Amino acid sequence: AQSVTQPDIHITVSEGASLELRCNYSYGATPYLFWYVQSPGQGLQLLLKYFSGDTLVQGIKGFEAEFKRSQSSFNLRKPSVHWSDAAEYFCAVGPMDTGRRALTFGSGTRLQVQP
Amino acid sequence: DAGVIQSPRHEVTEMGQEVTLRCKPISGHNSLFWYRQTMMRGLELLIYFNNNVPIDDSGMPEDRFSAKMPNASFSTLKIQPSEPRDSAVYFCASRPTSGSNEQFFGPGTRLTVL
Repeated sequence: AQSVTQPDIHITVSEGASLELRCNYSYGATPYLFWYVQSPGQGLQLLLKYFSGDTLVQGIKGFEAEFKRSQSSFNLRKPSVHWSDAAEYFCAVGPMDTGRRALTFGSGTRLQVQP
Repeated sequence: DAGVIQSPRHEVTEMGQEVTLRCKPISGHNSLFWYRQTMMRGLELLIYFNNNVPIDDSGMPEDRFSAKMPNASFSTLKIQPSEPRDSAVYFCASRPTSGSNEQFFGPGTRLTVL
């Protein structure tokens, strides 16, 4: 069965500091991997996705993520955090063959940004 | 493109009442998902449809919950009778027929059952 672990429930960083949010997955084949962001009172918005090719993927809002197959990880990074990045971040994994199966989401990491 | 549309955005009701949440997926998308989000349990998949057919409803908490997708452009999630523990934000998401497994989320319906 597929699963996603986001070990950090809550992270606080200072504005301008770098950020790394961790995501580890368990999946029997090469998965699709996603990061979504949820601002307060909003739905989930896709930040970036990986399904093949370059293991470093760029997303919106200056975010990037690196797929490391050997570590079963897909960590999200940003070199300089802005106050508007305060939100909850979800990692998700899904099959390459969309078939009849859904994504599996992690429990989320809540990011707080200090001025 | 208007994105996934959900209505109502907020619903406040009393215990025992029937609640119906509505979702219009993105045109051309053939999969639709209903999620529930709470502080305690996070984001839970309730049910999903492919081509209007329910594929996996194992996440539906109990018989009080039911979901339908009568056509490709409309789905409902009904709770009857509602209970205070059903209070949550309910999200609908849709996924295109081909391409990546990306889901597009609606803005959610915040349900409060008193």
